[in-house]
Amino acid sequence: EAGVAQSPRYKIIEKRQSVAFWCNPISGHATLYWYQQILGQGPKLLIQFQNNGVVDDSQLPKDRFSAERLKGVDSTLKIQPAKLEDSAVYLCASSFLSGEETQYFGPGTRLLVL
Amino acid sequence: DQQVKQNSPSLSVQEGRISILNCDYTNSMFDYFLWYKKYPAEGPTFLISISSIKDKNEDGRFTVFLNKSAKHLSLHIVPSQPGDSAVYFCAALRSGTYKYIFGTGTRLKVLA
Repeated sequence: EAGVAQSPRYKIIEKRQSVAFWCNPISGHATLYWYQQILGQGPKLLIQFQNNGVVDDSQLPKDRFSAERLKGVDSTLKIQPAKLEDSAVYLCASSFLSGEETQYFGPGTRLLVL
Repeated sequence: DQQVKQNSPSLSVQEGRISILNCDYTNSMFDYFLWYKKYPAEGPTFLISISSIKDKNEDGRFTVFLNKSAKHLSLHIVPSQPGDSAVYFCAALRSGTYKYIFGTGTRLKVLA
């Protein structure tokens, strides 16, 4: 079974530029999550989708971050414009259902904002 | 407010000995706990979980203990192997929700 796919794996941009990350979850997983992991911290949930609907985006900085999952499968996360403090690893995870279901993580995209 | 804490940023253990990783939480509403392992340049992978109705769960070399009164859980790895060297995150959530709250991680190094 293929795991969660993410691209790109690494990205370096200058502040005020825009960037987009892509995630393809495990086939059949209805729930998709985007996390931000800053160096030395644990992953922090940014947004959760159930199929193509947003369940929770309370911790998403909506002035600069946006995410979509138009067809209920793959998803994109965008930052526009980027700030220095956005430097982090962006992890995508998926699960069959919400709740206590195990979340399966992709390898992440490491973003460096200069 | 850090609801899930892993106070030891790093731990070194000799191969074959026991590794004990600790995790404390403050929110008494949490009733499901998980441990994830993370290798460099990879995403976290699920290791073991425990519900608050239990105080112990075992899977091979890995055992998780939960002390609800102390709001503390620990992961025991016996015997430790060099391949166990990774960062370990504990996560907590409230039943019926999806929201994992992760700790800051403990880097385990198993010395051959």
